[in-house]
Amino acid sequence: SQTIHQWPATLVQPVGSPLSLECTVEGTSNPNLYWYRQAAGRGLQLLFYSIGIDQISSEVPQNLSASRPQDRQFILSSKKLLLSDSGFYLCAWSPPTSPRGTKNTEAFFGQGTRLTVV
Amino acid sequence: GQQVMQIPQYQHVQEGEDFTTYCNSSTTLSNIQWYKQRPGGHPVFLIQLVKSGEVKKQKRLTFQFGEAKKNSSLHITATQTTDVGTYFCAGHSGNTGKLIFGQGTTLQVKP
Repeated sequence: SQTIHQWPATLVQPVGSPLSLECTVEGTSNPNLYWYRQAAGRGLQLLFYSIGIDQISSEVPQNLSASRPQDRQFILSSKKLLLSDSGFYLCAWSPPTSPRGTKNTEAFFGQGTRLTVV
Repeated sequence: GQQVMQIPQYQHVQEGEDFTTYCNSSTTLSNIQWYKQRPGGHPVFLIQLVKSGEVKKQKRLTFQFGEAKKNSSLHITATQTTDVGTYFCAGHSGNTGKLIFGQGTTLQVKP
């Protein structure tokens, strides 16, 4: 069966410090991978998504970046955190899009990382 | 760009009352998905609708996909305290793999 691992669960970082959040998926190949951010009491904002290694689309211009060094590994990074980067970061995966684009299935989420920038 | 709007943002109901949340997309969707997020948790998939006009039921939950594949609704009959949480719709547009979520509707149920 497929599993998704996201760590750490909580993180407190000072303003200006770097960030690296890691997400790995097991039990599937060539998944679509996603990073979302959820501010307190708010919706899910899509930050990055990836349909393959080194194929990453950025949805929101900001001081965050994402990398996919391996098929089932997705990393969210920042060189210098801002106070506004605080939030609940969620990694998710979904099965790969079919060649004809006719099959899209559900996303499975990691447990999330609660980031507080102080 | 593609936007998915969801209303209402919050809903407080008395236990036993019905509840509905509505979802509208700015573009035609290839499918619509619904998720539930319990307080402090992560979103969990509920269902996916693909066909125009499709209706699916899960016990007290009824999901509907509009004829134009741009809107959807989730209706809960006779709410229970276990229904508390935030309900999100999400949609794929085309074959990009991009999955956009609505802002969510947070449901509170008073016993």
